Amino acid sequence: DTGVSQNPRHKITKRGQNVTFRCDPISEHNRLYWYRQTLGQGPEFLTYFQNEAQLEKSRLLSDRFSAERPKGSFSTLEIQRTEQGDSAMYLCASRLQGVGGIEQFFGPGTRLTVL
Amino acid sequence: GDSVTQMEGPVTLSEEAFLTINCTYTATGYPSLFWYVQYPGEGLQLLLKATKADDKGSNKGFEATYRKETTSFHLEKGSVQVSDSAVYFCALRPPDDYKLSFGAGTTVTVRA
Repeated sequence: DTGVSQNPRHKITKRGQNVTFRCDPISEHNRLYWYRQTLGQGPEFLTYFQNEAQLEKSRLLSDRFSAERPKGSFSTLEIQRTEQGDSAMYLCASRLQGVGGIEQFFGPGTRLTVL
Repeated sequence: GDSVTQMEGPVTLSEEAFLTINCTYTATGYPSLFWYVQYPGEGLQLLLKATKADDKGSNKGFEATYRKETTSFHLEKGSVQVSDSAVYFCALRPPDDYKLSFGAGTTVTVRA
């Protein structure tokens, strides 16, 4: 299967710890997006990359959050000094910009629980 | 700003019943509109889409028509199955933009 993959699928951490999530997009997809989904809500945009360049960050992305896509392939999302309010599902999506369809393909998500 | 409002759930139906989930949006210009579905334990999957007014998206027996005059994109299915039990999200993407804006989701449970 060559869909979007995310690791880990679940992460439980204590408040104040740092966590890092990984997203592997569909091969050759040049756009990669991060969203956050809290319980009972729809996903909210966090940030996106065009190849390795981070082009937009939501105001939801505080300075404790950092995302990278160093070689334009996989991406990581790091949260420093986690807070209970960071508990959510973190979704990654990818898309091939400029060709054909407009669909974003989503991964299964990483569920973060901050105790 | 751009936003999506969809019918609150949860919705519980019997098999073969008719399903409608209302979705209205606020946006400038002509956004693209989507319905995504999230089955238990799985990621979001695109169910259908429409990119301009009066377009009808359809897939797996589901349909939705892009209504510019009422700024709506209601999802319908004539005869639901137990396997349609999922959370359904309406979403929009503004023209010349990159990110999706989602509604809060509607949980649908179909009973045999």
